Amino acid sequence: SQQGEEDPQALSIQEGENATMNCSYKTSINNLQWYRQNSGRGLVHLILIRSNEREKHSGRLRVTLDTSKKSSSLLITASRAADTASYFCAIQGAQKLVFGQGTRLTINP
Amino acid sequence: ETGVTQTPRHLVMGMTNKKSLKCEQHLGHNAMYWYKQSAKKPLELMFVYNFKEQTENNSVPSRFSPECPNSSHLFLHLHTLQPEDSALYLCASSQDPPSGGGRSTDTQYFGPGTRLTVL
Repeated sequence: SQQGEEDPQALSIQEGENATMNCSYKTSINNLQWYRQNSGRGLVHLILIRSNEREKHSGRLRVTLDTSKKSSSLLITASRAADTASYFCAIQGAQKLVFGQGTRLTINP
Repeated sequence: ETGVTQTPRHLVMGMTNKKSLKCEQHLGHNAMYWYKQSAKKPLELMFVYNFKEQTENNSVPSRFSPECPNSSHLFLHLHTLQPEDSALYLCASSQDPPSGGGRSTDTQYFGPGTRLTVL
């Protein structure tokens, strides 16, 4: 299966702490993307990292990709209450984008 | 706002009803998608349209019928649904090369979804 698997399934931290979510996959990829979804809403694209890249930053977000381990991580620094959402990794291989089941992140004030 | 709108936002229908979901994208993209999101399941790709042509149908039951009259509009016609079809239906769009073409970034822009409840 090309689907990415996120870990953990749920994460609860205090505001101001850093949050790390992981994604593992089994096939070769062209790129890997992270999306955020607020409850009952559509997904919002956060960041795309290509297979030949190892790290990308966007504001408080940092994404790493290790193609030898077939894994990626999303780090959110200095978390805020507004970061509470579900986060999905999506694998872009030879076929269309395939989404994982997501990590539910809760930021406690 | 992502540039993708969906109507209605909420829909309650009986099993014998016929209804349609509408999606419109204002991004000039050439590919549009329907996804189904059920509780505790990964996002399920239902249909893909590229340049108005359907390029994927992931074994979706015939009670779901897509229509793509142009690159900006996508419909999902619903009839004789089952309670297990209750879910959040998401539309997305992207800028892709023609089917069979080279690689694309395939970043997708999602609408807010239609929450469907089948009684």
